[in-house]
Amino acid sequence: EVQLVESGGGLVQPGGSLRLSCVASGFTFTSYWMAWVRQAPGKGLEWVANIKEDGSEKYHVDSVKGRFTISRDNAKNSLYLQMNSLRAEDTAVYFCARDQLWYQLFPSLDYWGQGTLVTVSS
Amino acid sequence: DIQMTQSPSSLSASVGDRVTITCRASQSISSYLNWYQQKPGKAPNLLIYATSNLQSGVPSRFSGSGSGTDFTLTISSLLPEDFATYYCQQSYTPPQTFGQGTKLEIK
Repeated sequence: EVQLVESGGGLVQPGGSLRLSCVASGFTFTSYWMAWVRQAPGKGLEWVANIKEDGSEKYHVDSVKGRFTISRDNAKNSLYLQMNSLRAEDTAVYFCARDQLWYQLFPSLDYWGQGTLVTVSS
Repeated sequence: DIQMTQSPSSLSASVGDRVTITCRASQSISSYLNWYQQKPGKAPNLLIYATSNLQSGVPSRFSGSGSGTDFTLTISSLLPEDFATYYCQQSYTPPQTFGQGTKLEIK
């Protein structure tokens, strides 16, 4: 059974840092791109970042570029999101998700974790 | 960035109704369009990938169509468990933007 379990959320002051983790199980982690998606309270979904199977390619949405960094440790079946210079508008539930590639071409997020809440407030 | 616009933003319907949700991309995304369902307090669930492919385990009353910039999600006959929020997402190029969501409510 595929499982994605996030951790690391919490309350942090503006300007602070947090590192989110996502531990994967039930599938071959090294065969999949992985992604982070967030959802502010009462709002829609926002794609944040994704990373290639071997970590050699990564992409971030403009609103977090230079502040957030996605990474992975394939030996630990783990995905990370390092978040620095946090702002109130980063307050959200952060989901990690597996990126399936249909015919190695068409990405979609087929498994999701339960999410971890990040609250940025003084 | 590619902007994704869903319509309507909310929709009231009854059990048994046929419902269509539309998603428009700000530029052509070929068939790189996915649909998700989300219920309150839960993670999203993939319904349709690459425009028209039903994800494993998803009931056949869900279907998707379109290409280029215009796409639709159709639910052929609503069941009570279908009342939720639906999101489209383009996966043509990063950032893989989502639509703003369509909240499907019981009439």
